[in-house]
Amino acid sequence: DGGITQSPKYLFRKEGQNVTLSCEQNLNHDAMYWYRQDPGQGLRLIYYSQIVNDFQKGDIAEGYSVSREKKESFPLTVTSAQKNPTAFYLCASRGNEQFFGPGTRLTVL
Amino acid sequence: GENVEQHPSTLSVQEGDSAVIKCTYSDSASNYFPWYKQELGKRPQLIIDIRSNVGEKKDQRIAVTLNKTAKHFSLHITETQPEDSAVYFCAPDPGGGADGLTFGKGTHLIIQP
Repeated sequence: DGGITQSPKYLFRKEGQNVTLSCEQNLNHDAMYWYRQDPGQGLRLIYYSQIVNDFQKGDIAEGYSVSREKKESFPLTVTSAQKNPTAFYLCASRGNEQFFGPGTRLTVL
Repeated sequence: GENVEQHPSTLSVQEGDSAVIKCTYSDSASNYFPWYKQELGKRPQLIIDIRSNVGEKKDQRIAVTLNKTAKHFSLHITETQPEDSAVYFCAPDPGGGADGLTFGKGTHLIIQP
């Protein structure tokens, strides 16, 4: 929610291309997360980071990569190895509660 | 890991009636129980949560009840209104949430006029 931004809102990718989704937060949260949501489905965890310069794979990390060089930023790269990348991608950060960014809708052409 | 089930997957109620959504979980260490509401095309938003030292929490028309023995918690919405139409997700949390939440598959709540 307020304090977490994602860009772009919509992203189109050709097959075989890597794309990077941006996530920034000004809530001073240590923990940040990336989730994927497919139509009519729940959220699945891709990667998470509990602290700067450290991150862990979630349930569906294959075909994705992340970095956490700054506390405020947790970008997600969708690589060409991800076979079905079309989805709604949600970034979140957590203090006492977990809040979500507005999401990026990625479509592969 | 946590196994989470939500019921029902779709719930249709008349405007003004009550709605109840149930979430069951497997990890007895779970100690934080949030509910999120997601409107079409938007981000999930936290609407209410409860911690394991409390059995019930209420915020105006919404409430959450917890039964730790049976490992389930429920979302209650009274006097439903059209703006309550959305998908609702539970996400029981066993470890302080640092490892990410495990979400249920969601309940699509439809408020009939």
